[in-house]
Amino acid sequence: DIQMTQSPSSLSASVGDRVTITCRASQSISYYINWYQQKPGKAPKLLIYAASSLQSGVPSRFSGSGSGTDFTLTISGLQPEDFATYFCQQSYTSPLYSVPLTFGGGTKVEIK
Amino acid sequence: EVQLLQSGGGLVQPGGSLRLSCTASGFTFSSYAMRWVRQAPVKGLEWVATVSTSGGRTDYADFVEGRFTISRDNSKNTVYLQLNSLRAEDTAVYYCVKEWGGPIFDYWGQGTLVTVSS
Repeated sequence: DIQMTQSPSSLSASVGDRVTITCRASQSISYYINWYQQKPGKAPKLLIYAASSLQSGVPSRFSGSGSGTDFTLTISGLQPEDFATYFCQQSYTSPLYSVPLTFGGGTKVEIK
Repeated sequence: EVQLLQSGGGLVQPGGSLRLSCTASGFTFSSYAMRWVRQAPVKGLEWVATVSTSGGRTDYADFVEGRFTISRDNSKNTVYLQLNSLRAEDTAVYYCVKEWGGPIFDYWGQGTLVTVSS
């Protein structure tokens, strides 16, 4: 299985800060990574797909980048509603064999 | 508006069974593969199972080991997850998710808690 190592596991930040979360895949996954936001007691919400495409309705302060094995999610100008946990998910598929999709361990963004 | 409304779940003893249901609305259900994903406090998010648009193809995570069955009824816009031979480590919130593209989860159900305990 492809392992997704997400860092940091938690961080403290202030409103207005620029926040960067990283995800590293155990093998190249091209641009097949998605990012989700989850608030306590709620289901995850899709933010970014295919490494850098912004899901409809998601504020433009969220952005994603990277390819191959190293990826980042950036929040430019943290807002109060952005305090949540963020997960990456690899969506690599192969025509030759089954590739279980896997998630990163999550990054909890807390108020400083 | 897309909605995935889940039901089922609850407390069950080890070795017991449960059936989870997820009824969809707001999109053409039969055109999309559906999955179940679970979230336990220790293990984070884990993919559990996938069912194709017709229901003719299914796929499972290794840890399922033949204990779970995913199915769908396109006439009822509903996907199911039958959980058998449940273990304590299956305790988690289970989400049904709509798959868009390959595989991107654009909509999630509200989640249902399954607790396996004696």
